[in-house]
Amino acid sequence: DARVTQTPRHKVTEMGQEVTMRCQPILGHNTVFWYRQTMMQGLELLAYFRNRAPLDDSGMPKDRFSAEMPDATLATLKIQPSEPRDSAVYFCASGLRRGLAGGESSYNEQFFGPGTRLTVL
Amino acid sequence: GESVGLHLPTLSVQEGDNSIINCAYSNSASDYFIWYKQESGKGPQFIIDIRSNMDKRQGQRVTVLLNKTVKHLSLQIAATQPGDSAVYFCADHRFSGNTPLVFGKGTRLSVIA
Repeated sequence: DARVTQTPRHKVTEMGQEVTMRCQPILGHNTVFWYRQTMMQGLELLAYFRNRAPLDDSGMPKDRFSAEMPDATLATLKIQPSEPRDSAVYFCASGLRRGLAGGESSYNEQFFGPGTRLTVL
Repeated sequence: GESVGLHLPTLSVQEGDNSIINCAYSNSASDYFIWYKQESGKGPQFIIDIRSNMDKRQGQRVTVLLNKTVKHLSLQIAATQPGDSAVYFCADHRFSGNTPLVFGKGTRLSVIA
């Protein structure tokens, strides 16, 4: 049963510390997304990659957040330095973008991982 | 700005009744819509999707209705069960294809036994 995995599942850290979250997308998927979920803002897209290339990271605070895909089986999201307002659940999702015949648009079903619950004290 | 939104933040239904969760979208160019279910402590899980060339699609106990005229999407759950208790999100996909899904805030469904 293929699924997206994320580590760690929980992370408690102090303000100013570096945090690294990891994601293993489903094998064969060519698109990876990072989301942040809070009670106030809901699900927010931070960044996403297609074929390991970043397509959009406009949702991330650039001064402290960075997202990379060192290879097709690993995506990372780093926060340095972390702040209390970064406390949230961070989800990774992967998908397979398919082009459809006849000029139709392609579709982007996403499969979510279990999330990393981050608490910054 | 364009957004995907939900009419009701919470919904309580009796076990066995049908549930209807509503969603409004504003981008007339959206051509693909998905409903996700998120249980406590878990990531969102795909339920059902629909393309804009359809107005209804049925799954197992779930039906999605799309009204493009008023830009409205609904999820119907038949014979609601306690296991259906969760937050439900609608999301849409922009026509350009290179933009990702945009999620609404979510509706919490509580099933009363």
